[in-house]
Amino acid sequence: AQRVTQPEKLLSVFKGAPVELKCNYSYSGSPELFWYVQYSRQRLQLLLRHISRESIKGFTADLNKGETSFHLKKPFAQEEDSAMYYCALLINSWGKLQFGAGTQVVVTP
Amino acid sequence: NAGVTQTPKFQVLKTGQSMTLQCAQDMNHNSMYWYRQDPGMGLRLIYYSASEGTTDKGEVPNGYNVSRLNKREFSLRLESAAPSQTSVYFCASKTGDQPQHFGDGTRLSIL
Repeated sequence: AQRVTQPEKLLSVFKGAPVELKCNYSYSGSPELFWYVQYSRQRLQLLLRHISRESIKGFTADLNKGETSFHLKKPFAQEEDSAMYYCALLINSWGKLQFGAGTQVVVTP
Repeated sequence: NAGVTQTPKFQVLKTGQSMTLQCAQDMNHNSMYWYRQDPGMGLRLIYYSASEGTTDKGEVPNGYNVSRLNKREFSLRLESAAPSQTSVYFCASKTGDQPQHFGDGTRLSIL
């Protein structure tokens, strides 16, 4: 069965420190993965999708099929990065997404 | 360009009351989705509509019904609200291989 696991519920980092949010998936097909971000009480916004291989707001994520992971990284965290981050897996051709439980990131000065 | 618009933004219901959450998108998207967001559980899909005229159950459909009224609108109905349905509800839409666009959410409390 398809599953997305984000093992950290809360990640607290200092401004300027590196941050890595873990995401592991279970899927029998060829995975398509996304990172969404939700700032306080706002709508979810797409941060990254693995097929575009972009760097958005300094974040990058690499799909590792061997480790079935899609970890999100940023070398220098900023206070405005404080938000809830969700990893999501596309599980069918109609756009059905399986979300992880989310990781709350708190960046302190 | 409003994107995905959800109404209402907040609602308090009593157990047993009925309620329809409205969602409309102005991006000419084919597919629309309803999720609920609960602490520690992420977003879970309630129902989705791959195209106008079709609806399918998601992960947690019990207690809900949906209507894809036309291409723009996709409503979610709670026939008899229960406290377990207290949540934040998000509507989303997409087309083709583009990612989903989300609305601002509806905060629903059931007493």
